[in-house]
Amino acid sequence: GAVVSQHPSWVICKSGTSVKIECRSLDFQATTMFWYRQFPKQSLMLMATSNEGSKATYEQGVEKDKFLINHASLTLSTLTVTSAHPEDSSFYICSATRQTYEQYFGPGTRLTVT
Amino acid sequence: KNQVEQSPQSLIILEGKNCTLQCNYTVSPFSNLRWYKQDTGRGPVSLTIMTFSENTKSNGRYTATLDADTKQSSLHITASQLSDSASYICVVSSSGGGADGLTFGKGTHLIIQP
Repeated sequence: GAVVSQHPSWVICKSGTSVKIECRSLDFQATTMFWYRQFPKQSLMLMATSNEGSKATYEQGVEKDKFLINHASLTLSTLTVTSAHPEDSSFYICSATRQTYEQYFGPGTRLTVT
Repeated sequence: KNQVEQSPQSLIILEGKNCTLQCNYTVSPFSNLRWYKQDTGRGPVSLTIMTFSENTKSNGRYTATLDADTKQSSLHITASQLSDSASYICVVSSSGGGADGLTFGKGTHLIIQP
């Protein structure tokens, strides 16, 4: 159990457009979901924490108007990168937690902005 | 400032050999320490989680140790296989399960050669 999926697994978009990434907990209800960004050969960087039905909490330096997070249900959170630019190209990973402290990571989404 | 330092940055070993990865941390307060395996282009997968009172924990050919006094952990891989090629990330939690309490190491990039 405890499987987290992401869709799409990779996406290419043009500069200025928006792209949505979905994160789903397939076999459990996630009390909290997290969004990370990872640049090549770098560690995961937490972008924001989202709880179902409430506004996301963003880390310092992360623009909340650019990275829109919607946590519509206990099994789905979405990250929308608005007006994407080439510097937004990265590997985006979500994770989800249940009542325990274990975090379950999704497989990641590779975003390339041209 | 909470920090997690991993060494070596990268490691190449022959298939069948053993290896040990190191993790030193300065995180306070301490809740638990986790080792993750991240394949290229994939999300991290949990290998072990250890709390303050645990000195060692095994998961198949992976054995993690924790010395809370010296704030050091190691991950030992026995009889390495080609599929062990990945990045191994040490993560220290200063809270129960919130991602905002996680400090990530940059990982050790392990390559297993046939």
